[in-house]
Amino acid sequence: DQQVKQNSPSLSVQEGRISILNCDYTNSMFDYFLWYKKYPAEGPTFLISISSIKDKNEDGRFTVFLNKSAKHLSLHIVPSQPGDSAVYFCAASAYSGAGSYQLTFGKGTKLSVIP
Amino acid sequence: SQTIHQWPATLVQPVGSPLSLECTVEGTSNPNLYWYRQAAGRGLQLLFYSVGIGQISSEVPQNLSASRPQDRQFILSSKKLLLSDSGFYLCAWGTGPYEQYFGPGTRLTVT
Repeated sequence: DQQVKQNSPSLSVQEGRISILNCDYTNSMFDYFLWYKKYPAEGPTFLISISSIKDKNEDGRFTVFLNKSAKHLSLHIVPSQPGDSAVYFCAASAYSGAGSYQLTFGKGTKLSVIP
Repeated sequence: SQTIHQWPATLVQPVGSPLSLECTVEGTSNPNLYWYRQAAGRGLQLLFYSVGIGQISSEVPQNLSASRPQDRQFILSSKKLLLSDSGFYLCAWGTGPYEQYFGPGTRLTVT
């Protein structure tokens, strides 16, 4: 049972345009959401996050939107740059007991920004 | 600043051989530590997490095990590797309730 879903395995966008990456979740206990960027043969790097009490968080070219009623979040990258080409993972956090929070990841979306 | 190290970067092991992957964190105390695996074409799967020395929680039944002998050291082991153990293994740390920060990963190929 996949609790975090990224239904688009890949996305191609022209340089300078907007990239929109989508993520859906099913578990209502998730209270924090994160996006990670991953290059091949490297560990994921934290990009941006949003608390469930907010509907938008912006950091430079990156904006994350959260629609709790629809259990949907999206990552907008504007303007897209060739260096943004990577796999993007959506993750959701829930308390797992014993003082630890666990992240549940989607399968990722490979973004290709075409010069 | 905090840094996380993993080694080796790549490993090729025959089926049935043992495994030991090591992860160390610098610049922080009492972090939560995590082991993930990314299999080909799949997302990140949480294998183990630890909230303190000697405290290990397992998420997926398997032939792998984890240990935390020191505050900032996390070890992933196996007595006998299976072909299905091939993948990209990632160690991560976190001190807050949410963000986790990942190491560079180990590419394991079981032949």
